[in-house]
Amino acid sequence: NAGVTQTPKFRVLKTGQSMTLLCAQDMNHEYMYWYRQDPGMGLRLIHYSVGEGTTAKGEVPDGYNVSRLKKQNFLLGLESAAPSQTSVYFCASSYTLGQGDTGELFFGEGSRLTVL
Amino acid sequence: AQKITQTQPGMFVQEKEAVTLDCTYDTSDPSYGLFWYKQPSSGEMIFLIYQGSYDQQNATEGRYSLNFQKARKSANLVISASQLGDSAMYFCAMREGSLKGFQKLVFGTGTRLLVSP
Repeated sequence: NAGVTQTPKFRVLKTGQSMTLLCAQDMNHEYMYWYRQDPGMGLRLIHYSVGEGTTAKGEVPDGYNVSRLKKQNFLLGLESAAPSQTSVYFCASSYTLGQGDTGELFFGEGSRLTVL
Repeated sequence: AQKITQTQPGMFVQEKEAVTLDCTYDTSDPSYGLFWYKQPSSGEMIFLIYQGSYDQQNATEGRYSLNFQKARKSANLVISASQLGDSAMYFCAMREGSLKGFQKLVFGTGTRLLVSP
């Protein structure tokens, strides 16, 4: 069972470079999310999607863009990376509430990004 | 305003003893859900337990139980008979709103638990 898969797992960027993180889920979930985790700050929501072709801003969206062209994929882009974007990024997905009982998030393994 | 507060940055417990990790929340919505996730040193997020605001009984999952005190707005995680493998970061999270429509999970800052032999 693959669940939620993130690629790449690790990446080092120079300031100003661009990159895309890919998230894929095989559970047919409607909802997908991108969080970032920083020491002492827990997980903060960057962007999310409630279905194919839709995206919305979360708590800390600046400097990031997302796309959900296919239901199973949710891409997170950094157009011009900054050292403040050094973080661990988590993708997650969940059922449409009503199908599942709780709204539990299923997480990927995380992607560690360092911006020099 | 902080919606989820975990006031214990770190906790220590001896193997086989019980430990309580604190979590308080803030919401005016009568319908919400509370979650606990575990993050071991390997980094993955593992779902542990869920409590709905209308649930009459405290949630339990094996050695994990959630001490839900609605009036105090607290949802503490109790781990009984701690094991070395319980050493990890633990996050409390809340989903506001009814079970229809979309709601986001908001996370606390986490508590690092260290279990000693």
